[in-house]
Amino acid sequence: GAGVSQSPRYKVAKRGQDVALRCDPISGHVSLFWYQQALGQGPEFLTYFQNEAQLDKSGLPSDRFFAERPEGSVSTLKIQRTQQEDSAVYLCASSLERGQLAFFGQGTRLTVV
Amino acid sequence: AQRVTQPEKLLSVFKGAPVELKCNYSYSGSPELFWYVQYSRQRLQLLLRHISRESIKGFTADLNKGETSFHLKKPFAQEEDSAMYYCALVDNYGQNFVFGPGTRLSVLP
Repeated sequence: GAGVSQSPRYKVAKRGQDVALRCDPISGHVSLFWYQQALGQGPEFLTYFQNEAQLDKSGLPSDRFFAERPEGSVSTLKIQRTQQEDSAVYLCASSLERGQLAFFGQGTRLTVV
Repeated sequence: AQRVTQPEKLLSVFKGAPVELKCNYSYSGSPELFWYVQYSRQRLQLLLRHISRESIKGFTADLNKGETSFHLKKPFAQEEDSAMYYCALVDNYGQNFVFGPGTRLSVLP
């Protein structure tokens, strides 16, 4: 594809519901990042993959958050038992090389009601 | 701990005026610094990175290690520069990118 694609663009979830957010990085990009951006704030790092390996998950706020990239391309961020504080825009970014953060997706806006 | 600060949440300037968006960082090593921009209804995109020392859309940024700053400058602002600007750093391992809170630049006609 032409860029990083995220789906859905918008998600409304009832408190306690599980959600899955998808990221399609640019083909061939080794590095993939997930960020959480709350209203009025900058993106906050969640997790990083190099190919299929999750090398850093230090930013995941709780064990309700889980990310995977089983074949080294598409990634899914799963949030279990969503809470209102999980409401944010979730951004995915990919790059060809480590140390770069060149391309972002449009983000998924999650609203937990 | 790694941290990026952008002291101004909103900066308004008139078209043709110089603009400087401030960014300060704290990091024990030698980080790589970036500026990202988000225009209205568009995705976040890379504007420039300090190691390339290039000028993009008339913007430049110089890394000042003594002051731990990476301020973004443009001599003559244009209305199309209105956007959110985020300063970011990456650690030595190239894995953890840390963003500042962002500054909204509004260029008035």
